Amino acid sequence: KNEVEQSPQNLTAQEGEFITINCSYSVGISALHWLQQHPGGGIVSLFMLSSGKKKHGRLIATINIQEKHSSLHITASHPRDSAVYICAVTYGGATNKLIFGTGTLLAVQP
Amino acid sequence: NAGVTQTPKFQVLKTGQSMTLQCAQDMNHEYMSWYRQDPGMGLRLIHYSVGAGITDQGEVPNGYNVSRSTTEDFPLRLLSAAPSQTSVYFCASSYDRGNQPQHFGDGTRLSIL
Repeated sequence: KNEVEQSPQNLTAQEGEFITINCSYSVGISALHWLQQHPGGGIVSLFMLSSGKKKHGRLIATINIQEKHSSLHITASHPRDSAVYICAVTYGGATNKLIFGTGTLLAVQP
Repeated sequence: NAGVTQTPKFQVLKTGQSMTLQCAQDMNHEYMSWYRQDPGMGLRLIHYSVGAGITDQGEVPNGYNVSRSTTEDFPLRLLSAAPSQTSVYFCASSYDRGNQPQHFGDGTRLSIL
């Protein structure tokens, strides 16, 4: 079992829909990261959080440390949101190692 | 702001050839790292550096060398390219290994024939 699991692996939505991508992890962490990768493109950090909730524009990230679960929400989705969304956790301890999920491929259709 | 700059963006090599992937950052970050991204797998750490003159192995270091002579530059060398090294390579930098936002380059798409 992977230490970081994302669901769904693939997601197709219609423009304007509310989207949720989930991330579950099985290790103790000090931080959780949400990253975005457009097709053929680089990787951009969207959020880093260790508790609660963060919001940036139409994107909202939440984390529940007790349940070892995080969600990334996109409100009023748009075709430009089409990308791979990657969850990564900072493994707690001296190494601060990053462990990455395999990503969720989101396609938003007009 | 340039951020993290990787060159080249694309490269095709023949088995046995060597090459260097360049990575430079202008944010004065101490921590830099190299990852490879393969289909169906999460990013995997190849090598990392916590400052000039200090490097260490990640989870998939075989076949790769790194050096860090300056804070800005962190090149990745393929010693003798193999088809298994066909991948997309990302360089990243940060103020801290895992507890600060990571800044990634645009990637180098490498094919080994």
